[in-house]
Amino acid sequence: NAGVTQTPKFRVLKTGQSMTLLCAQDMNHEYMYWYRQDPGMGLRLIHYSVGEGTTAKGEVPDGYNVSRLKKQNFLLGLESAAPSQTSVYFCASSPVPQRGVTDTQYFGPGTRLTVL
Amino acid sequence: GENVEQHPSTLSVQEGDSAVIKCTYSDSASNYFPWYKQELGKRPQLIIDIRSNVGEKKDQRIAVTLNKTAKHFSLHITETQPEDSAVYFCAARNEKLTFGTGTRLTIIP
Repeated sequence: NAGVTQTPKFRVLKTGQSMTLLCAQDMNHEYMYWYRQDPGMGLRLIHYSVGEGTTAKGEVPDGYNVSRLKKQNFLLGLESAAPSQTSVYFCASSPVPQRGVTDTQYFGPGTRLTVL
Repeated sequence: GENVEQHPSTLSVQEGDSAVIKCTYSDSASNYFPWYKQELGKRPQLIIDIRSNVGEKKDQRIAVTLNKTAKHFSLHITETQPEDSAVYFCAARNEKLTFGTGTRLTIIP
């Protein structure tokens, strides 16, 4: 049981390049999330998914796209990277949040992205 | 949407003393309040959570209190140890989790 995994762990891009970050979970969770973490700003939600085939915008969605073709995978894409997207990206997954039932979010190890 | 404020941003505590971190939230419909600990270079990990129908919850040296009327909740760590040094994040959830900006806790040996 690997939990939540992310690939790659590190990446350096030049402005304008594109890339895809992969998140995978083996806990059969319905919900998956992508966050970015910047110094002094905590974790900010980029996009999330409440089930296979669904996606929704979070707090800071601009410049990113996502896809959830399989329940266990959640992909984050940067079509044209900008220096402002330099950050640490965390994926998370959780069961369906329900009152009285555990709905802890489990985080992946993170991807450190630098855009030059 | 929800707005979560967290204070202080940094906190230094002598080993063995207590540490308190406070958060306020804006959305009265929020019903779930987790606290995450993030060690340097690691992922955030849940350490304790509380739901809106409970006023206090304790797990060994860690406790969380919730005041729904005032819309604030706090993390209390007693008998602090060097391994408690980390960044702590509070969060509040209505439909989605909104995180505070974090508190860097340093335990001084």
